[in-house]
Amino acid sequence: SQTIHQWPATLVQPVGSPLSLECTVEGTSNPNLYWYRQAAGRGLQLLFYSVGIGQISSEVPQNLSASRPQDRQFILSSKKLLLSDSGFYLCAWRLRYDSPLHFGNGTRLTVT
Amino acid sequence: AQSVTQLGSHVSVSEGALVLLRCNYSSSVPPYLFWYVQYPNQGLQLLLKYTTGATLVKGINGFEAEFKKSETSFHLTKPSAHMSDAAEYFCAVSFSSGSARQLTFGSGTQLTVLP
Repeated sequence: SQTIHQWPATLVQPVGSPLSLECTVEGTSNPNLYWYRQAAGRGLQLLFYSVGIGQISSEVPQNLSASRPQDRQFILSSKKLLLSDSGFYLCAWRLRYDSPLHFGNGTRLTVT
Repeated sequence: AQSVTQLGSHVSVSEGALVLLRCNYSSSVPPYLFWYVQYPNQGLQLLLKYTTGATLVKGINGFEAEFKKSETSFHLTKPSAHMSDAAEYFCAVSFSSGSARQLTFGSGTQLTVLP
């Protein structure tokens, strides 16, 4: 069966520090991968998606970036965090447009 | 343009009462519809999905939803609310354009269950 792993679960970082969140999927091949963010009391904001290795599409301009170095690995990064980067980050995958998204357990990021 | 609207950002029901969470979509192509539940500090969990076939879809935890094309709706229901149903619920729609981007979430409905 397919599983998705996302870590760390919580993270507290100072403003200006770098960020690296990692997500891996097991049990499937060539998934579409997604990074979402939830700010407090708000809905889901799509940040990045990827349809293959090295292929990244950005949905919103920001100081975040994403990379997909391997088929089932998706990394969210920042060189310098801002206070506004605080939130709950979710990684997700799916195979096709008619299949559901499967989410990881999320990372709670607090920038201080 | 395709969109999803969830009517009511907060819904309160008494334990044992009917749960009805509303979702309407706008699309020019056949939609694929999903409901998710999110508990605090957790990822989203799939409750049910409609892709093709029977328009009444049964999901986990006693929830079901009916796809009504004429009303462009996919409302979520449960006959009898339980305290454990308190969570946030998201409706999502995907489209047959084939683009990985083509999945849209509603803004969510927070369900409170009163004892």
